[in-house]
Amino acid sequence: DQQVKQNSPSLSVQEGRISILNCDYTNSMFDYFLWYKKYPAEGPTFLISISSIKDKNEDGRFTVFLNKSAKHLSLHIVPSQPGDSAVYFCAASDSGSRLTFGEGTQLTVNP
Amino acid sequence: SAVISQKPSRDICQRGTSLTIQCQVDSQVTMMFWYRQQPGQSLTLIATANQGSEATYESGFVIDKFPISRPNLTFSTLTVSNMSPEDSSIYLCSVFTGTSSYEQYFGPGTRLTVT
Repeated sequence: DQQVKQNSPSLSVQEGRISILNCDYTNSMFDYFLWYKKYPAEGPTFLISISSIKDKNEDGRFTVFLNKSAKHLSLHIVPSQPGDSAVYFCAASDSGSRLTFGEGTQLTVNP
Repeated sequence: SAVISQKPSRDICQRGTSLTIQCQVDSQVTMMFWYRQQPGQSLTLIATANQGSEATYESGFVIDKFPISRPNLTFSTLTVSNMSPEDSSIYLCSVFTGTSSYEQYFGPGTRLTVT
């Protein structure tokens, strides 16, 4: 039972354009959501998070949107840069330290 | 944040043998986690390692196969026992520093190939 799903295994965008990565979840007990970025041969690095009491959180070029009724969140990167090319994982927490991860989306930003 | 190192970074092992992976953190942390990432798949939590108590294993993972030690607040080991090719994965440790945002910080991972 995959409680956190990222349905797009890959996404390709042009430099300077917007990248939108999507994530859906099924467990209504999840109340905190995180995005991680992973480069090859490195561990995931924390990018941005959002609490379920909010619907938007912004940090520089990165914005996360949460739609609780649809159990959907998205990560927007604008403008996209070639250095953003990585695998992006969304993760969810149910008020504990345990995280449940999605399958990841490979983002490629073309110069 | 926390800086985490893992040893070894990669290894190729024969079926039936065991490998112990070390995880070192630059600060004291209460909770450490071990994950597995099989090729093309998500990160799957193996167990939570708390200092001074037995590790808590997730469904599908057992102590005999993945024994864990947590001798102090900055160090943990995960052993992959009696390995088979299905154990070929990246093994990652992470730490939770106790913030309300549930962020975990990850080590660089250990890439294990079992032949």
